[in-house]
Amino acid sequence: EAGVVQSPRYKIIEKKQPVAFWCNPISGHNTLYWYLQNLGQGPELLIRYENEEAVDDSQLPKDRFSAERLKGVDSTLKIQPAELGDSAVYLCASSLGTHTGELFFGEGSRLTVL
Amino acid sequence: KQEVTQIPAALSVPEGENLVLNCSFTDSAIYNLQWFRQDPGKGLTSLLLIQSSQREQTSGRLNASLDKSSGRSTLYIAASQPGDSATYLCAVTGDYKLSFGAGTTVTVRA
Repeated sequence: EAGVVQSPRYKIIEKKQPVAFWCNPISGHNTLYWYLQNLGQGPELLIRYENEEAVDDSQLPKDRFSAERLKGVDSTLKIQPAELGDSAVYLCASSLGTHTGELFFGEGSRLTVL
Repeated sequence: KQEVTQIPAALSVPEGENLVLNCSFTDSAIYNLQWFRQDPGKGLTSLLLIQSSQREQTSGRLNASLDKSSGRSTLYIAASQPGDSATYLCAVTGDYKLSFGAGTTVTVRA
């Protein structure tokens, strides 16, 4: 069974440029998460989807970040414009359910903003 | 707000020694607790999931215990190997949110 797939694995951009990350969750997983991880820290939730509905986006900086999950499967996270402080690893995860489901993570997308 | 703490931040042991990793959380109203392993530059790999009604879970050389009332979980790794070197993170699910600790970075010396 394929795991959570993310792309690109690495992205280097200059500040003020846009960037997008893509995630394909495990088949059948209704819940999808985007996390941000800074070096030496645990992941922090950006947004959680239940099917195609964003049910928790309270930590998403909506002035520059946006996300979508069309048809309740794949998801895209976009940053526009990127700032130096956005350099981090963006992790996508999925689970069968929010409360009891085991969480499975992708390899992450490492963003460097110059 | 749930706070998850993992102490120590780093640990170095000789090969063959048993590892004991600690995780504490401030709000005992949790649905489950999950332990993850993260290798440098990689995503998180799930090791064990303990539901709130369970006291422990075991998988091979790994054993995780959960004491919800005291807000603690411990991950035991028996007979450590150099391949166990990684960062281990715990995460608790409560109030629709998953809260992570910062992790314990383990080095197993050959």
